[in-house]
Amino acid sequence: DADVTQTPRNRITKTGKRIMLECSQTKGHDRMYWYRQDPGLGLQLIYYSFDVKDINKGEISDGYSVSRQAQAKFSLSLESAIPNQTALYFCAVGTSGSTNEQYFGPGTRLTVT
Amino acid sequence: ELKVEQNPLFLSMQEGKNYTIYCNYSTTSDRLYWYRQDPGKSLESLFVLLSNGAVKQEGRLMASLDTKARLSTLHITAAVHDLSATYFCAVDKAEGAQKLVFGQGTRLTINP
Repeated sequence: DADVTQTPRNRITKTGKRIMLECSQTKGHDRMYWYRQDPGLGLQLIYYSFDVKDINKGEISDGYSVSRQAQAKFSLSLESAIPNQTALYFCAVGTSGSTNEQYFGPGTRLTVT
Repeated sequence: ELKVEQNPLFLSMQEGKNYTIYCNYSTTSDRLYWYRQDPGKSLESLFVLLSNGAVKQEGRLMASLDTKARLSTLHITAAVHDLSATYFCAVDKAEGAQKLVFGQGTRLTINP
């Protein structure tokens, strides 16, 4: 367990508002990821980062931006939220060892009205 | 483009029965992961399969990987109600970035 925390855990916001989701981890892993999960679907990768200076787009980055403020912190922003961004958002951290396993945070349930 | 498909997507079974969930993927990869998700909860890592022929077992769950067939299976033996959950497989795109592509998930319901 990589001790991944996410804040807030639940958020309701209105269309057009800016919102930031935060992720932090205590294990010092270099790799951090943001995923989105829609009901009944698997996870889709939004952005990922290997270190503070390395940010990469995933499959569905449009409408999102990220910031890696420190090795332990990786934030996801919705600059102007829209209803189809209503979803469950997960942060994950990855090991760079032989398994390359990812450990997931508890998730943030975001509703855009 | 790597695609990962699971089947079945929904599975309802009785306690005590055996069943298998299948995970097929479209391009070469040597790393496959199985996760469990309870409703409204996060993903819990179950198995990491790193090579052709790998087999891992934990309790009533056993996972295997055939990289030549691009197929992984998750076998449930003598199911119990506590195993009710959604199970995801995920495949590493093997581009050095540890980018996982997830299947759609299999929602497993085990009835007493």
